[in-house]
Amino acid sequence: AQKITQTQPGMFVQEKEAVTLDCTYDTSDPSYGLFWYKQPSSGEMIFLIYQGSYDQQNATEGRYSLNFQKARKSANLVISASQLGDSAMYFCAMREVTGNQFYFGTGTSLTVIP
Amino acid sequence: NAGVMQNPRHLVRRRGQEARLRCSPMKGHSHVYWYRQLPEEGLKFMVYLQKENIIDESGMPKERFSAEFPKEGPSILRIQQVVRGDSAAYFCASSPISAISETQYFGPGTRLLVL
Repeated sequence: AQKITQTQPGMFVQEKEAVTLDCTYDTSDPSYGLFWYKQPSSGEMIFLIYQGSYDQQNATEGRYSLNFQKARKSANLVISASQLGDSAMYFCAMREVTGNQFYFGTGTSLTVIP
Repeated sequence: NAGVMQNPRHLVRRRGQEARLRCSPMKGHSHVYWYRQLPEEGLKFMVYLQKENIIDESGMPKERFSAEFPKEGPSILRIQQVVRGDSAAYFCASSPISAISETQYFGPGTRLLVL
C-alpha cells in the first residue's frame, strides 16, 4: 500500500483565493511526522510546514495551514490568498518513528490563474 | 548561512560511464539523505548516512550504486556503468539530528541524463 497518496494530479486556483491540496497517509506507527514541500519549476524542494501526529492543534505557517484529521489519516494543505508565485508542484511527505526516510506522494501541480 | 549544496547541477553521461554526485550538508548537519526523483514522480529514498557510516541503504539498488560520507568533505553518491534508466534528479537532504519532527533540508538536486 502507498504510504502517501495525493489524488489531485493538477489543481487550478484563482489569484487571491484559497486552495486545499489533499493528502492521505497510511501508517501503523503510533508516532509520525507529516510535511509539505513545494517544488517550483526551478526544481528545488522548499519546506513549507510540519505536523506531528501528537500535535493537538493544526499547524500554521503564514499563508499555509495544515488541516490534520488523524482519524481519517489526512493532512491537507490549505494555501490562503493564493499568489502567482504559488504555482508549483506540492509534495506531501511522512516520516515514521520506526524509520529514517521520508515517504513522498506523487505530488499535485498547482497553477494560480491571474 | 549556506543551504545544502549539490554539484554538479546537471550531469550528462554516456551508457557505461560513471557518475559522481556530491552533496555538502548545511553547516552543523551531520545526517545526510539521498533521494531519487524520476520524471512525473515523487522522491524515493535511497540511503541515509552519518559521518563515515551508512545507517540505512534500504532504498539503494544493490548493484552499481554506492554512497559515502567521509569524515572530511562532501557526501558522494556514485553510480557505476550508468544506464538510461538512471536518468533522474538526485536530491540530497540534511538534518542536524534524526527525529520524526526534524525537517530535512534539500539541496537543489543534480539532474543526471544518460545518453
